[in-house]
Amino acid sequence: AQSVAQPEDQVNVAEGNPLTVKCTYSVSGNPYLFWYVQYPNRGLQFLLKYITGDNLVKGSYGFEAEFNKSQTSFHLKKPSALVSDSALYFCAVRVPGGNTPLVFGKGTRLSVIA
Amino acid sequence: DADVTQTPRNRITKTGKRIMLECSQTKGHDRMYWYRQDPGLGLRLIYYSFDVKDINKGEISDGYSVSRQAQAKFSLSLESAIPNQTALYFCATSDYRYYNEQFFGPGTRLTVL
Repeated sequence: AQSVAQPEDQVNVAEGNPLTVKCTYSVSGNPYLFWYVQYPNRGLQFLLKYITGDNLVKGSYGFEAEFNKSQTSFHLKKPSALVSDSALYFCAVRVPGGNTPLVFGKGTRLSVIA
Repeated sequence: DADVTQTPRNRITKTGKRIMLECSQTKGHDRMYWYRQDPGLGLRLIYYSFDVKDINKGEISDGYSVSRQAQAKFSLSLESAIPNQTALYFCATSDYRYYNEQFFGPGTRLTVL
């Protein structure tokens, strides 16, 4: 069975500082990994995904994530946080092939303080 | 995402009432999903459909049913609503050609009194 863990319910960071939102996963085989963001009163928006290839993936709004197979992690990062980055972030995983939906983590709320 | 629409956006109902939430998409995707979001619990999958003739239960399907009326339409029904079904409900779509990256509707906030 596939699963995702986001160990932090809340992350606080000062504007201009780097941010990291953590995600670890458990799947059999090589995973497809995704990050989504949810702004208040909105649906989830796709940020980036890892399918194969370069372990560092770049996405929307200056975000990037690094796939680390040995640590089964896919942490989301941004070099310089903005107040407008404050939102709820979800990590998701699925196994390649077959007909399996994404499995989502419980979300991490990011607050960027001016 | 305007390509995935949900109606209604907000609904308040009473215990025991039958409720239908509707989802339509113009993305041409074959796969559609219903999730509910509760604070601290993240997104939980209720039902999913990989084509019009394919319906699958998710992790929390009890108390819910679905209908895939066409490729573009996927409805979620609560046959007899109860207060613990109060939540934010999201519809999503995906296309297997794009690694099942999912596109979400704006959500329906349902309150069961």
